[in-house]
Amino acid sequence: GAVVSQHPSWVICKSGTSVKIECRSLDFQATTMFWYRQFPKQSLMLMATSNEGSKATYEQGVEKDKFLINHASLTLSTLTVTSAHPEDSSFYICSARDSEGHQETQYFGPGTRLLVL
Amino acid sequence: AQKVTQAQTEISVVEKEDVTLDCVYETRDTTYYLFWYKQPPSGELVFLIRRNSFDEQNEISGRYSWNFQKSTSSFNFTITASQVVDSAVYFCALSGQGAQKLVFGQGTRLTINP
Repeated sequence: GAVVSQHPSWVICKSGTSVKIECRSLDFQATTMFWYRQFPKQSLMLMATSNEGSKATYEQGVEKDKFLINHASLTLSTLTVTSAHPEDSSFYICSARDSEGHQETQYFGPGTRLLVL
Repeated sequence: AQKVTQAQTEISVVEKEDVTLDCVYETRDTTYYLFWYKQPPSGELVFLIRRNSFDEQNEISGRYSWNFQKSTSSFNFTITASQVVDSAVYFCALSGQGAQKLVFGQGTRLTINP
């Protein structure tokens, strides 16, 4: 149980294009999902908290117009990197909290590696 | 403010050795949760354990064991008889009561050599 998927796992795109990353909770409902960014050999940096049916809460320093988050259902949140640039290249990981189980625990997806050329 | 410190950046041991990963935390909350996650080279974070602040009982799961001591604000993780497959980055994390955010330590890169 508590499986979270992400798609795509890898994406390479040209500078200026937009990239959408999907995060799905496969066997549980998640009213809250989280988006993290991780640079090589560093810890996870929380970008935003995604709440089903409402606007995401962004961490300080994260551009909400750059990183669009939509949480339209209890099992799906999407992160869109708009007008991507090389500095947006990173490893993006989502997590989800089980709404009915141990809500303190975040279960993570496998991550998406983004390379912007 | 909450903080998690994993002072060991990298650890390298030979297979079958025991190894302990240290985690020290700071919080003003009386109720909080501590976690350990494993991140293998593939990148996915694998949940290992959750412990709430009212449960100081140590836990053992196979070769893994955790020592939670509120007196020293530590939540250390020991792998017994380490195996090559244990090689990964291990993160300790903290969440406060009602708070949704996880505060991560910097991670410890563990390498088990054959």
